[in-house]
Amino acid sequence: DQQVKQNSPSLSVQEGRISILNCDYTNSMFDYFLWYKKYPAEGPTFLISISSIKDKNEDGRFTVFLNKSAKHLSLHIVPSQPGDSAVYFCAASSGGGTSYGKLTFGQGTILTVHP
Amino acid sequence: EAGVAQSPRYKIIEKRQSVAFWCNPISGHATLYWYQQILGQGPKLLIQFQNNGVVDDSQLPKDRFSAERLKGVDSTLKIQPAKLEDSAVYLCASSSGLEDNEQFFGPGTRLTVL
Repeated sequence: DQQVKQNSPSLSVQEGRISILNCDYTNSMFDYFLWYKKYPAEGPTFLISISSIKDKNEDGRFTVFLNKSAKHLSLHIVPSQPGDSAVYFCAASSGGGTSYGKLTFGQGTILTVHP
Repeated sequence: EAGVAQSPRYKIIEKRQSVAFWCNPISGHATLYWYQQILGQGPKLLIQFQNNGVVDDSQLPKDRFSAERLKGVDSTLKIQPAKLEDSAVYLCASSSGLEDNEQFFGPGTRLTVL
């Protein structure tokens, strides 16, 4: 039962262009969404998050969009840089009770930014 | 601020052997998580501690996996006996438990079971 799905295993973009990474979820109880970036031999690092009461959150070159009706979120990176090349994980959680803080991750998308 | 520490970084064992992993979370973080990440998949939560109590261990294979967090700080995850399908990266994460849900991950332990 894959509650969080990243259907694109990989994405390749040119430096300076926009990278768009997509994520779909099935659990309507999810109310907080996060993106993590992972370099080889390192643990995932937090990138950006969004609460379900918002539809957009920006942090520098990174913007996350949330479409609750479609149960879809996306991460936009503009402009893309070679250092952005990594695996990107989408994660979701539902607040309250014992499930608080429990993250459900997607499978990840490998982003490669070419100089 | 020091990050989440894990050891060892790599471990190779034969099936049916036992293995243990250690995690030291960020100082002051009350919540600690152990994840299993199989190649090509996202991290999957095995167990969540709040201080030294277990909050969620619904996805922990309890017939072979065990974890403890004595004194509410360091934690160990043990597998006994190991199976081939346990080959994965085991990630430890910690969080302050506040509403931002942000978890800080350690570098992980890569386990290979032969």
